[in-house]
Amino acid sequence: EPEVTQTPSHQVTQMGQEVILRCVPISNHLYFYWYRQILGQKVEFLVSFYNNEISEKSEIFDDQFSVERPDGSNFTLKIRSTKLEDSAMYFCASRTRHLNTEAFFGQGTRLTVV
Amino acid sequence: AQSVTQLGSHVSVSEGALVLLRCNYSSSVPPYLFWYVQYPNQGLQLLLKYTTGATLVKGINGFEAEFKKSETSFHLTKPSAHMSDAAEYFCAVIGGSGTYKYIFGTGTRLKVLA
Repeated sequence: EPEVTQTPSHQVTQMGQEVILRCVPISNHLYFYWYRQILGQKVEFLVSFYNNEISEKSEIFDDQFSVERPDGSNFTLKIRSTKLEDSAMYFCASRTRHLNTEAFFGQGTRLTVV
Repeated sequence: AQSVTQLGSHVSVSEGALVLLRCNYSSSVPPYLFWYVQYPNQGLQLLLKYTTGATLVKGINGFEAEFKKSETSFHLTKPSAHMSDAAEYFCAVIGGSGTYKYIFGTGTRLKVLA
């Protein structure tokens, strides 16, 4: 069964450092998402990506965040200068072009900023 | 703007008892609704979805949900709880003028008592 894969599963970084979280969406999917979940809290939308550009972003997704699809398979989230409050589980998701389909989520990357 | 509200951040049931997790939505257009389950330290897995058609939808692991437009609800039920159902459950909505992001509720943690 096709699945979304994320690497690494855990990342510990020092405050102020840059991190790149990587995702391989399902191959025939066209919409890609990043969500985050701070421990014990709700799943928050960060950004959606379609046709090689950002289609929507939340107020959380400020200038320190960026996304990229560097090749035909990977989808990355970069955080330029991490803050303590960036510590969270980050989920990548993808879906087909049909709005009535579900998003498939990866297992997540747990980011800890120290 | 679309939103979902999940009543009850924590629900406890005895093994074998009925599970009822509540979700109410707000949407200016016919919504697409989803229930996801999250087991500890894992990603989000789709339980079931409502898009169009039959308002009673069946999902995996014996769960079902009924879309009630008049009540703007999409409650999740399972006739008989099993210990393995202990997890966090999220209701989500997508669809609206110009937006393609999934909006999640705050989640309900289900505890199953032996």
